Amino acid sequence: GQQLNQSPQSMFIQEGEDVSMNCTSSSIFNTWLWYKQDPGEGPVLLIALYKAGELTSNGRLTAQFGITRKDSFLNISASIPSDVGIYFCAGANYGGSQGNLIFGKGTKLSVKP
Amino acid sequence: DAGVIQSPRHEVTEMGQEVTLRCKPISGHNSLFWYRQTMMRGLELLIYFNNNVPIDDSGMPEDRFSAKMPNASFSTLKIQPSEPRDSAVYFCASTGTGGLLYGYTFGSGTRLTVV
Repeated sequence: GQQLNQSPQSMFIQEGEDVSMNCTSSSIFNTWLWYKQDPGEGPVLLIALYKAGELTSNGRLTAQFGITRKDSFLNISASIPSDVGIYFCAGANYGGSQGNLIFGKGTKLSVKP
Repeated sequence: DAGVIQSPRHEVTEMGQEVTLRCKPISGHNSLFWYRQTMMRGLELLIYFNNNVPIDDSGMPEDRFSAKMPNASFSTLKIQPSEPRDSAVYFCASTGTGGLLYGYTFGSGTRLTVV
């Protein structure tokens, strides 16, 4: 089945640094979603992308839908301690035969104050 | 809206015991998903329901796992008998008809430990 490769697996950064992570697929999607999972909680949707090349921001977060439709990127600017958690990408083909979101394995972010 | 509600939050049980995890989806959502999360395998889809009907259970690891959705507001995931390798966090998620556009809403999970 379809798989998403998310990288890096983990990151250890200093507060105030910018963060970049990405997600690649062997096949195309028409929807990309980014989730964050706080420790001890379920994933929560951060950003949704629907168009190749689209760039969408949510506060300090910016995500991009790759031109090839096989990848997506998430950037966090000026990280703060509450950014700690696991970030998941998810892809889907709305209206296609694939009925579910496909999730990456996550990028675990640690922020040192 | 109270969101997706899962119970219990934590469950510790002995190997061989039956375990039942419960989920109340968001009112009006017609799709419900059960996921299992481990460090090694990440988020794995176990089974999902559309309008209370199981659509795909290919992710259920073995016959010891079963799931039901008797009505639109309740679902259970049962493991019988439980084994230590079943230890994981189990998430329930729900969505309406635009799930592939707007994503799924997850519950807070049940952390299962089988000793």
